[in-house]
Amino acid sequence: GAGVSQSPRYKVAKRGQDVALRCDPISGHVSLFWYQQALGQGPEFLTYFQNEAQLDKSGLPSDRFFAERPEGSVSTLKIQRTQQEDSAVYLCASSLRTDGSPLHFGNGTRLTVT
Amino acid sequence: GESVGLHLPTLSVQEGDNSIINCAYSNSASDYFIWYKQESGKGPQFIIDIRSNMDKRQGQRVTVLLNKTVKHLSLQIAATQPGDSAVYFCAEGEYNDMRFGAGTRLTVKP
Repeated sequence: GAGVSQSPRYKVAKRGQDVALRCDPISGHVSLFWYQQALGQGPEFLTYFQNEAQLDKSGLPSDRFFAERPEGSVSTLKIQRTQQEDSAVYLCASSLRTDGSPLHFGNGTRLTVT
Repeated sequence: GESVGLHLPTLSVQEGDNSIINCAYSNSASDYFIWYKQESGKGPQFIIDIRSNMDKRQGQRVTVLLNKTVKHLSLQIAATQPGDSAVYFCAEGEYNDMRFGAGTRLTVKP
């Protein structure tokens, strides 16, 4: 596709519900990243994949957060038992190489936990 | 601790003027810096990057300056246009260690 695609664009969940956020990276991009962006803040790193391998998940805030990229393309970020503090925009980004080339971001999923 | 920060949270300029957005970083080992532009409801968009072996890099209407001595980064936008109104982030690091500042909101007045 032309860019990184994320769905849904908006998600409202009641506290305690599980949610799944999808990311379709640019075709052929090896690296995929998830970031969390709170209102008025810069993006904060969550996790990084190189192809299907999750090489870094040090940014995941708790064990309620889980990400996967089973075939090295589409990725899903799952949040279990959502809490109000999980409300944020979740951004996915991909890059062509693994050497720190610029990230291409999707438009994010805005999650609101009520 | 190490951080990437911005000097001003907001900047308002007249259309046609030049804009300068500043960023300070504290990790002296940083060697890769990126500027991103984020419009409302969209993801950050890459503008320009620079490595520490350079002190200046130019793109289309944009220039990034890097002063390693004082650990300062700036983004200059020439002839600012209404479409330049957005939040601008500097980021420092490499792929899985990319650290973003809080952002500067640039408003262009007609």
